[in-house]
Amino acid sequence: EIVMTQSPATLSVSPGERATLSCRASHSVSSNLAWYQQKPGQAPRLLIYDASTRATDIPARFRGSGSGTEFTLTISSLQSEDFAVYYCQQYNNWPLSFGQGTRLEI
Amino acid sequence: EVQLLESGGGLVQPGGSLRLSCVASGFVFSRYVMTWVRRPPGKGLEWVSAVSGSSRNTDYADSVKGRFNISRDNSKRTLYLQMSSLSAADTAIYYCAKHGGSAGVDFFDSWGQGTLVTVSS
Repeated sequence: EIVMTQSPATLSVSPGERATLSCRASHSVSSNLAWYQQKPGQAPRLLIYDASTRATDIPARFRGSGSGTEFTLTISSLQSEDFAVYYCQQYNNWPLSFGQGTRLEI
Repeated sequence: EVQLLESGGGLVQPGGSLRLSCVASGFVFSRYVMTWVRRPPGKGLEWVSAVSGSSRNTDYADSVKGRFNISRDNSKRTLYLQMSSLSAADTAIYYCAKHGGSAGVDFFDSWGQGTLVTVSS
């Protein structure tokens, strides 16, 4: 089973600043990595797949990078609506697995 | 527009059973792998189970293997999760999710709003 580890657990930033979230896989997942955003009371939303491809209607300020075992989600110029919990998920191997999440807060 | 609507959650006693349903619309249901993901209170997302479009292939997380059964009825565009031998550790919001494509495209591009399962005496 591939274990996904996200850091930091909580990231405090201000609107307009840039946020960098990390995700590490216990074994290589190639580029089979997705990022999701979840706000309180809402379903998760797909942001990025294939490590760096933005999903439909996702703003350009969200950028995914990395391959193998190290991945990064960068959110440039944070907007108020970006404060949420972010999860990475690998789909290179079964069972599919998520990281434990990074909470982005003001 | 893709829509996924879960139902069937509720309060159940330890050791009990429950069946969740997820009705899909807005896409050709039979063509896509479907998944259940859960989020326990105060914790992160956990993949639970998946079923292929034809129902030929299923897979389960170790934490639910032998207790949960995933199925689908393509004629009703409905995904199911039969849960048994429930314990407090199964308390969570359960989401159904659509995979992004055919086999091997195993990220989730659409999600339902979730249904809450509480296991408590």
